[in-house]
Amino acid sequence: GEDVEQSLFLSVREGDSSVINCTYTDSSSTYLYWYKQEPGAGLQLLTYIFSNMDMKQDQRLTVLLNKKDKHLSLRIADTQTGDSAIYFCAETDMDSSYKLIFGSGTRLLVRP
Amino acid sequence: ETGVTQTPRHLVMGMTNKKSLKCEQHLGHNAMYWYKQSAKKPLELMFVYNFKEQTENNSVPSRFSPECPNSSHLFLHLHTLQPEDSALYLCASSQDRGGVDTQYFGPGTRLTVL
Repeated sequence: GEDVEQSLFLSVREGDSSVINCTYTDSSSTYLYWYKQEPGAGLQLLTYIFSNMDMKQDQRLTVLLNKKDKHLSLRIADTQTGDSAIYFCAETDMDSSYKLIFGSGTRLLVRP
Repeated sequence: ETGVTQTPRHLVMGMTNKKSLKCEQHLGHNAMYWYKQSAKKPLELMFVYNFKEQTENNSVPSRFSPECPNSSHLFLHLHTLQPEDSALYLCASSQDRGGVDTQYFGPGTRLTVL
């Protein structure tokens, strides 16, 4: 079955760049997503990338997709303390576009 | 504020109680979802409704009973739950257009079963 894997924890200093990595198994995924979850809140969509793209940039966020290696990354430039949260990678299910397969999440801690 | 609200935000119940979780979306979407988020486990999809019809039941125990009276409202009825059902229950909605189907999440209900 499909599987999405992420490292559990990342700590960076404020002002540095953060890179959160994700690997997935379903090569037929049409879209791949990054969600952010702050404490006590639901998931907030940050960005998504279509599978025929290699890169997508949105302000401080850069998404890189390597389809050959099934590797997705999220780079946050100039990381701020407000970026501290859990970041989830998700891929669309091979059988239906509305089903998302989520990773376990990467907890990002930004140190002042 | 994502346009998806959930009530209550916190719920403590005994194993013999019956309670309901409510979700409402103000986005004009046609698809609604229930997810379970447990500690140290990936987000688990429970149910999907599209235009009020259930299109997905991800092998969820019958002690969880969903209800979707219209495209804007979704309920999760709970009865005779177990302590391992304690989790954050998230509702989401999307506009199913057959392409990118961005899901918008509510803040969740933190459920504790004693």
